[in-house]
Amino acid sequence: ELKVEQNPLFLSMQEGKNYTIYCNYSTTSDRLYWYRQDPGKSLESLFVLLSNGAVKQEGRLMASLDTKARLSTLHITAAVHDLSATYFCAVDNNNDMRFGAGTRLTVKP
Amino acid sequence: KAGVTQTPRYLIKTRGQQVTLSCSPISGHRSVSWYQQTPGQGLQFLFEYFSETQRNKGNFPGRFSGRQFSNSRSEMNVSTLELGDSALYLCASSLARGYEQYFGPGTRLTVT
Repeated sequence: ELKVEQNPLFLSMQEGKNYTIYCNYSTTSDRLYWYRQDPGKSLESLFVLLSNGAVKQEGRLMASLDTKARLSTLHITAAVHDLSATYFCAVDNNNDMRFGAGTRLTVKP
Repeated sequence: KAGVTQTPRYLIKTRGQQVTLSCSPISGHRSVSWYQQTPGQGLQFLFEYFSETQRNKGNFPGRFSGRQFSNSRSEMNVSTLELGDSALYLCASSLARGYEQYFGPGTRLTVT
C-alpha cells in the first residue's frame, strides 16, 4: 500500500530564513505533486515532478525528487509572510494516489 | 481563460439522501479528478476521468460514483449519505495525467 509521510507537520519560521519540507513515500511512483492551500481555500498546484533528479523552482520555492530514496523536498528560501499556508505533497503510482498530511507553515515577521 | 467551476458551492443534506456535484473543467482539459478533504482523513483521491473513462478510483465505497460527459464536464454522486461524508469536495482539471492540475473552489457538503 502506498504511504506518504510528510514532515514537519507544523513549521514556524522567521522571515528571511530558509527551511525544507520533506515528503517520503513507500512504493515506486511515477509522479509527485506539490500543492499549496490557504485557509478556507482550494488547492493550488505548485510543482509536478516526473523523473528522478527533477528540480523545479518558482520564486522562493524549489522542489526536487529523488526516486531512489523515495524522497521529495520543498525548499523555502528567504521566507516571506505571503508563503504562510499549508503545503501538501501527493504521490501517484498509477494504481493509487496518496497525499501527505500537510505542513502548516507560518512565517513570522 | 475561465477556471474550473464547481456547483453547488455549499450543500446541506440529510443522512440517507443522495447528492450530485458538478465540475466544469478548463476548456481543452480532458482529465478531471475528484478529491475529498476532511479534518480527520485529510485529502483523499476519489477518482479520475479522462475522455469519459474512469481511469482510477481511490479507496471509497461504491456509494461514491462519477461520470464524465463528452464535453469533459464531470459529475460525482454520493448515494445513501452518511455523516462522515461531510467534507470539502474538490475537482481538478488538467490536460492529462502528470500535467499541472487546476482546482475548482470546491463544494462544501454537510450531512446532518
